[in-house]
Amino acid sequence: EPEVTQTPSHQVTQMGQEVILRCVPISNHLYFYWYRQILGQKVEFLVSFYNNEISEKSEIFDDQFSVERPDGSNFTLKIRSTKLEDSAMYFCASSVPGLMNTEAFFGQGTRLTVV
Amino acid sequence: AQSVTQLGSHVSVSEGALVLLRCNYSSSVPPYLFWYVQYPNQGLQLLLKYTTGATLVKGINGFEAEFKKSETSFHLTKPSAHMSDAAEYFCAVSRSGGSYIPTFGRGTSLIVHP
Repeated sequence: EPEVTQTPSHQVTQMGQEVILRCVPISNHLYFYWYRQILGQKVEFLVSFYNNEISEKSEIFDDQFSVERPDGSNFTLKIRSTKLEDSAMYFCASSVPGLMNTEAFFGQGTRLTVV
Repeated sequence: AQSVTQLGSHVSVSEGALVLLRCNYSSSVPPYLFWYVQYPNQGLQLLLKYTTGATLVKGINGFEAEFKKSETSFHLTKPSAHMSDAAEYFCAVSRSGGSYIPTFGRGTSLIVHP
């Protein structure tokens, strides 16, 4: 069964360092998303990406964040200069629009710990 | 704008008892509604969804949910809880005809006692 895969599963980084979180969406999907979940809090939308550009983003997705689809399979989230409050679980998801295909499929997540 | 409210951050039931997890939504257009489950140290897995048609939807692992437009609710139920149901459950809403970006509730942790 096709699935969204994320690497690494856990990343520890020093405050101020850049991190790149990687995702391989399901191959025929067209929309890609990043969400984050701070420990004990809700799953929050960060950004969606369609047709090689950002289609929507939340207030959380500031200039520290960027997304890229560098090739036909990977979808990355870059945090330019990490802060302690960036520590969270980051989920990648993908979907393909259509009446019968309305849900987003999520990866296992990358736990980012900023120290 | 769309939002989801999940009543109760924790729900505790005995094994074999009815499970009821509450979700109310707000949406300016007809919603698509979802329940996702997150087992410890795992990602989000779709349990069930409502898009159009039958308002009672059945999902995996014996769960079902009923869309009630008049009550703006999409509560999740299971007749008999199993120990393996212990997990975090998230209700989500996305708008129809749009980009299907789901908005999640805060989640409800289901605790099952033997």
